[in-house]
Amino acid sequence: AQSVTQPDIHITVSEGASLELRCNYSYGATPYLFWYVQSPGQGIQLLLKYFSGDTLVQGIKGFEAEFKRSQSSFNLRKPSVHWSDAAEYFCAVGDTNFGNEKLTFGTGTRLTIIP
Amino acid sequence: DTAVSQTPKYLVTQMGNDKSIKCEQNLGHDTMYWYKQDSKKFLKIMFSYNNKELIINETVPNRFSPKSPDKAHLNLHINSLELGDSAVYFCASSQVRGSGSTDTQYFGPGTRLTVL
Repeated sequence: AQSVTQPDIHITVSEGASLELRCNYSYGATPYLFWYVQSPGQGIQLLLKYFSGDTLVQGIKGFEAEFKRSQSSFNLRKPSVHWSDAAEYFCAVGDTNFGNEKLTFGTGTRLTIIP
Repeated sequence: DTAVSQTPKYLVTQMGNDKSIKCEQNLGHDTMYWYKQDSKKFLKIMFSYNNKELIINETVPNRFSPKSPDKAHLNLHINSLELGDSAVYFCASSQVRGSGSTDTQYFGPGTRLTVL
């Protein structure tokens, strides 16, 4: 069965500093990978996704993620965070037997931004 | 212009009651989902429907019954509510891609259910 691990429950970063959120997945084939963000009052929004092709994917709000098959990782990065980036971030893997009909989410990483 | 909408946004009820949550999407998608987010923010899929047909049923108690009257709607009815049902329930939708797989899921704003 597929699974996603986000090892960091909570990360605190200074505004303007760089950010990397870790995500490791377990899946037998080439996965469909996603990062979603949940902000208070904003619902759950897709940041970026990887289906195939270039392993470095760009998303909204200046985020990017890199798929590394050898490490079973899909870490999320941003060069300079803004206070508005404070939110809960979820990595997810889609089951390619179904397509991404079945998303398995990680437990999330809560990002706090300090001035 | 809301893409995926849910009603109500908040639902407070007593144990043993029956309640429904409604979901509608205006994106023209053919697949809809229900997710449950618990108090630790863990998101887990409950059901998915494709063209009104149940595709995924993730070992959810049969007190939970989804109903899809058409492609744009997926409602969730819960019988005999229990304390453990308290959570945020999210509806989502997506579109089957040409390869048979589906594309990005778009989420509704969530319904916070509190069972007293």
